Parts: sequence; C-alpha cells; structure tokens
Amino acid sequence: DSGVTQTPKHLITATGQRVTLRCSPRSGDLSVYWYQQSLDQGLQFLIQYYNGEERAKGNILERFSAQQFPDLHSELNLSSLELGDSALYFCASSVGLAGGGSYNEQFFGPGTRLTVL
Amino acid sequence: AQSVTQPDIHITVSEGASLELRCNYSYGATPYLFWYVQSPGQGLQLLLKYFSGDTLVQGIKGFEAEFKRSQSSFNLRKPSVHWSDAAEYFCALLRYNTDKLIFGTGTRLQVFP
Repeated sequence: DSGVTQTPKHLITATGQRVTLRCSPRSGDLSVYWYQQSLDQGLQFLIQYYNGEERAKGNILERFSAQQFPDLHSELNLSSLELGDSALYFCASSVGLAGGGSYNEQFFGPGTRLTVL
Repeated sequence: AQSVTQPDIHITVSEGASLELRCNYSYGATPYLFWYVQSPGQGLQLLLKYFSGDTLVQGIKGFEAEFKRSQSSFNLRKPSVHWSDAAEYFCALLRYNTDKLIFGTGTRLQVFP
C-alpha cells in the first residue's frame, strides 16, 4: 500500500458526460500528479500540482482539468467524454519538487478505471 | 525529444529461469532511470532507480538493472523468476530537475510453473 488513495475504483459512464476522479496523497506529500494509461497512448503524464498550484502540464486535453485543494487532495475533472477517454487514471504523490538535482520519489495510487460507453 | 523504448511487449519465462527485460532511452544527457512494476489491479511500484555512480543498481524483490551509456540502455534482470513476478514492467525516464516521468510502453511478463 503506497498510502495514496483514489476513488472511485471503477467508473462507467456514457459519451458526453462529465466525471470527477479523486485522489488523496500520502500524508505530508505536497505534490500530486495525474497520469493516464490507455491502450493507444500508454502511460502518459497529464498534470502536476504542488501545494495547490499547477506546476507542470503534459498531454492533457482541454476537456480535462484538475485542481488541488487546501487539504492537498486533488480532483481530475473529465468532461464531454469520448470513447477514447476510457483508460486507467493514476494519481501519484511526492514530498516536494525537483530542483537542485534532488529527486522526489513518486508513489502511485491503485488507479481509477474509467469506461466510456 | 526524450523517449523510452521497451522492445518486448510480452515475455514468457519458466519459473526459476533468468530474466532480462530491455529498455532503451533517448536523452541528451544522463537521465534518471527507473523500473516500475504493475501487478493486476495495483498501482505502480518502484523496483529500482539509477541517478549516477555505480552502473549496476540493486532493487527490491531481487531485481537489478545495469545502466550502459554507450548503448543507451537500462535493462532489468533477475537471476531466478518466481510465479509472483508475473506483472507488467515499465521503464521510465526523468529529466534532470523535473518531476515529469516519461514511460515506456511496458513489457508484460508471464511466468509458467
């Protein structure tokens, strides 16, 4: 158990709908990351938040958005869902930020499996 | 652009046999390199990492990996595979001073008794 929790575990919805995925980081971790794992694209970095602020963006669609709240949990919002959005969405957390050559190990949650029908 | 290539999509070995999973990377400098394992229904677990120094790194669960700069490779090895090692393995790269992991496509390991 990494200490990162994600809810729900599974989500089934229809095209055009909107869903929210939730992530609670490990106690004390300030950085939260979202990754998408799909058959087409593999495992891709979506976005990173640090202490409530967006720090880095990857291949995140405009239909997707995220935020990190004062209690440090994070939500990933996916809207106008398409069949191709079906994937496993991982959240990860780490203590801080890279810098000065330091490395922050990322701890991954179990993921939320999204199925769009 | 930085990238990670795992040439083998699926590997099957017998329990007790040795294992080598291949990983090649593309990056202008020395990257941080990682191997993660994903068991069914689980998140990603870090097996080992390489930053600098000794090119042979030891990880958890009896795994090791060797960094070879001349070949841009970071292959994962285990001398004797156990049935519980069946999982998907991901090689990943991190650019210096960033937090954005770049993953390979993964290698699915199947272990026969």
